Amino acid sequence: SAVISQKPSRDICQRGTSLTIQCQVDSQVTMMFWYRQQPGQSLTLIATANQGSEATYESGFVIDKFPISRPNLTFSTLTVSNMSPEDSSIYLCSVQDPTGGRGGETQYFGPGTRLLVL
Amino acid sequence: DAKTTQPNSMESNEEEPVHLPCNHSTISGTDYIHWYRQLPSQGPEYVIHGLTSNVNNRMASLAIAEDRKSSTLILHRATLRDAAVYYCILRDMKTSYDKVIFGPGTSLSVIP
Repeated sequence: SAVISQKPSRDICQRGTSLTIQCQVDSQVTMMFWYRQQPGQSLTLIATANQGSEATYESGFVIDKFPISRPNLTFSTLTVSNMSPEDSSIYLCSVQDPTGGRGGETQYFGPGTRLLVL
Repeated sequence: DAKTTQPNSMESNEEEPVHLPCNHSTISGTDYIHWYRQLPSQGPEYVIHGLTSNVNNRMASLAIAEDRKSSTLILHRATLRDAAVYYCILRDMKTSYDKVIFGPGTSLSVIP
């Protein structure tokens, strides 16, 4: 299993500013994932972050808006840049435990960061 | 990518069994069936997964149709703490570290 912590747990920000969200895992993992969950909606994958390489972004998400760092195998950050009220969401960090074998990997999620942009 | 279809919402009485269905008619032979759930104000958590045979663990049972085009997550005795959104997801065993894409899931309400 993996235990994931995120900071901050919540924040209220002004439009036009940026917020960096930290994700810490208690074990080394190859890939980390960042999700967004808008109010009342399901989770949407933002990007996949591999240590030592640039993150891979999903359609509709760009690096300028959501830059990601992955400096080591236990840590990652997601920055929400130039925020607008539409960015108000829960942002979740996630990792996979590969011990279940291909297709059987268990995904673990952090508690999320609740962001409100005014 | 193979997709899944689930009812938007379901209700259950407390202490009764709950059967949460999932249709995945385009499933491939290498797709595992995974279930996650998201309790209120928490991140999703793993529930169970299987390939062809029915599976049981301490949280739930997974019944997989013989043709694998549908599956059912079974909570044997619903409690109020089981009120959550349940997601049925397919994971391809051909690809390691395949990204997990969530559908809308089924919102389960448990009535005392």
